Amino acid sequence: ETGVTQSPTHLIKTRGQQVTLRCSSQSGHNTVSWYQQALGQGPQFIFQYYREEENGRGNFPPRFSGLQFPNYSSELNVNALELDDSALYLCASSFRTGGGNTEAFFGQGTRLTVV
Amino acid sequence: SQKIEQNSEALNIQEGKTATLTCNYTNYSPAYLQWYRQDPGRGPVFLLLIRENEKEKRKERLKVTFDTTLKQSLFHITASQPADSATYLCALDGGSGNTGKLIFGQGTTLQVKP
Repeated sequence: ETGVTQSPTHLIKTRGQQVTLRCSSQSGHNTVSWYQQALGQGPQFIFQYYREEENGRGNFPPRFSGLQFPNYSSELNVNALELDDSALYLCASSFRTGGGNTEAFFGQGTRLTVV
Repeated sequence: SQKIEQNSEALNIQEGKTATLTCNYTNYSPAYLQWYRQDPGRGPVFLLLIRENEKEKRKERLKVTFDTTLKQSLFHITASQPADSATYLCALDGGSGNTGKLIFGQGTTLQVKP
C-alpha cells in the first residue's frame, strides 16, 4: 500500500449533480495531483496542488475544481456532472523540493459512475 | 500537442521469456520519463524513472532505455513471471523538469503464461 487513501471507493451520481472526492496524501508529501482515467485509457492530468494553491492544470473545464488543505489532503470537486465524467479518479502525492518532485504515489482511486 | 503511444495490442508471452514494451512520443522533448504498473481496479505503482541524459536504467529484472533521438523508450522485463501480468504505463513529465505533472500513454497489457 502507498499510504495515499481516497474516498469514497465507488460512487454513483445523476447527470447534473455535483460530487466531491477526497484524498489523503502520503505522510510528508506536499504536492497532490489529480487524474481522470477512462476505461482502457491511461490517466489524464487534471490539476496539481502545491502549498494549497493550484500549480498547473490539464485540459479540463472550470467545473473541475480542487482544494488542498494545510495538512496536504485534497479534494476534487466536479459540478454539473456529465455522462462522460464516468471514470476512475486518481490522486497522486509526491514531495517537491528545489530539485523537482519525488516519484508519485497513487491512491486506489474513486470509481465514479454518472447515470 | 504532446502525444504518447504504447503498444496498442496486448502482449502475451511465455513464463521465463523477456517482455519488451514500447513507448513512443511526439511533439515533446521530456527531461524525465517514467514507467508504472497498474493492476485492475488499482492505482498505478511507480517502477522506474529515467532522465534524458541516461541511456539505460536497471532495477532487478527491469530495464528501461531512453532514446531521445528516436523519441522512444523500451521497457524490458527479463525472466518474466505470471505475477508480472498487468498493464504497464509510460509517462512523460508535462512540465519543465521533474514537476510531477504526468502525461500517460494508454498502457500495454502484459499477460505472462505459465
